[in-house]
Amino acid sequence: ETGVTQTPRHLVMGMTNKKSLKCEQHLGHNAMYWYKQSAKKPLELMFVYNFKEQTENNSVPSRFSPECPNSSHLFLHLHTLQPEDSALYLCASSRGQGEADTQYFGPGTRLTVL
Amino acid sequence: GQNIDQPTEMTATEGAIVQINCTYQTSGFNGLFWYQQHAGEAPTFLSYNVLDGLEEKGRFSSFLSRSKGYSYLLLKELQMKDSASYLCAVTDSNYQLIWGAGTKLIIKP
Repeated sequence: ETGVTQTPRHLVMGMTNKKSLKCEQHLGHNAMYWYKQSAKKPLELMFVYNFKEQTENNSVPSRFSPECPNSSHLFLHLHTLQPEDSALYLCASSRGQGEADTQYFGPGTRLTVL
Repeated sequence: GQNIDQPTEMTATEGAIVQINCTYQTSGFNGLFWYQQHAGEAPTFLSYNVLDGLEEKGRFSSFLSRSKGYSYLLLKELQMKDSASYLCAVTDSNYQLIWGAGTKLIIKP
């Protein structure tokens, strides 16, 4: 138990569906991250929020839309996804961004796009 | 470009010792992390090195040589539960984490 929870753990969706992934951290951290993890590839950073403000968007397609209502919660809204978006989506948090701080990860959402 | 290299897969025997290497080329350096990830689970923090040398933590040790752009994770007295992927990540000059693709470690009885 890392103090970071994610729901759902598994999600299957069609290309025309709209769904949302949820992340919650109970560690009192100020920075939250979305990563994409594909088999045999490095973790790909998607978005970073620091004190609820988005500070990084690594050229992520607009079909992925993040939302951070407060420092404890992070969402990833999905719409009109492609089969190549199938992957494990990991949420992480750290004390702050701009420091060599340890990131703590949630268990991830395994997403399959049909 | 920035790059982290580590072996894709390694196999070792229960009770033995294994060393997982990681080499990196990054723009700046602010520390190196090792994480463990069991299949279907969250990556969990193992170690952080920012100065040259060996950091020991129970059965696990991590070594860093900044001049060589090199680190290794040493696992002693291997147990079946150590079967997992081990991820190496470097913090660059902008405090961005650059990740390796991970090393899948298989432990055999």
